Amino acid sequence: AQTVTQSQPEMSVQEAETVTLSCTYDTSESDYYLFWYKQPPSRQMILVIRQEAYKQQNATENRFSVNFQKAAKSFSLKISDSQLGDAAMYFCAYRSARNTDKLIFGTGTRLQVFP
Amino acid sequence: GAGVSQSPSNKVTEKGKDVELRCDPISGHTALYWYRQSLGQGLEFLIYFQGNSAPDKSGLPSDRFSAERTGGSVSTLTIQRTQQEDSAVYLCASSPPGLRSGNTIYFGEGSWLTVV
Repeated sequence: AQTVTQSQPEMSVQEAETVTLSCTYDTSESDYYLFWYKQPPSRQMILVIRQEAYKQQNATENRFSVNFQKAAKSFSLKISDSQLGDAAMYFCAYRSARNTDKLIFGTGTRLQVFP
Repeated sequence: GAGVSQSPSNKVTEKGKDVELRCDPISGHTALYWYRQSLGQGLEFLIYFQGNSAPDKSGLPSDRFSAERTGGSVSTLTIQRTQQEDSAVYLCASSPPGLRSGNTIYFGEGSWLTVV
């Protein structure tokens, strides 16, 4: 069975600085997708960024980028130029590419952003 | 609708009562998921629908939990004889059809259930 591990329960960053959130996963599959979701206090899960395992190039979305290390099964999220609105819970998630399978989530990292 | 809609937003119920939580997915989305999020915890998978069938019910914690989906659209999660440990946010999500699973899964805002 696949598992996702987020070892940082909480992180903090100063506004305009850069922060990296860690995620590792375990799978025997070679084809899958990885996601980072953001959950603000409103509870709405919002997709931040996704990565296809068959792509070597790291995904980027504006201030958000990932460092995908397939051999190490590592998928970290880097937030550049942090903003107060980035404060939220961040969840890393895995999804098999075999079919429309469920997302498997990590336990989350709470990010605080200080002015 | 524009997004995944869930109702009620908040529900307080007495221990032992039954509750129904409703999810209206994005139009055209064939896959529908229910997750549970306890306070300060990650998301726990409950059940997955493809159309009206549920190929994966592996996450339902007990036989007090059941879910159905009709017309390939609206889904209802039912919890019978609620217990205090059932208190959590119940999140529904949907995703469009596709041969591969890279399609984005869209979440609703959840139903916050409190059992007293």
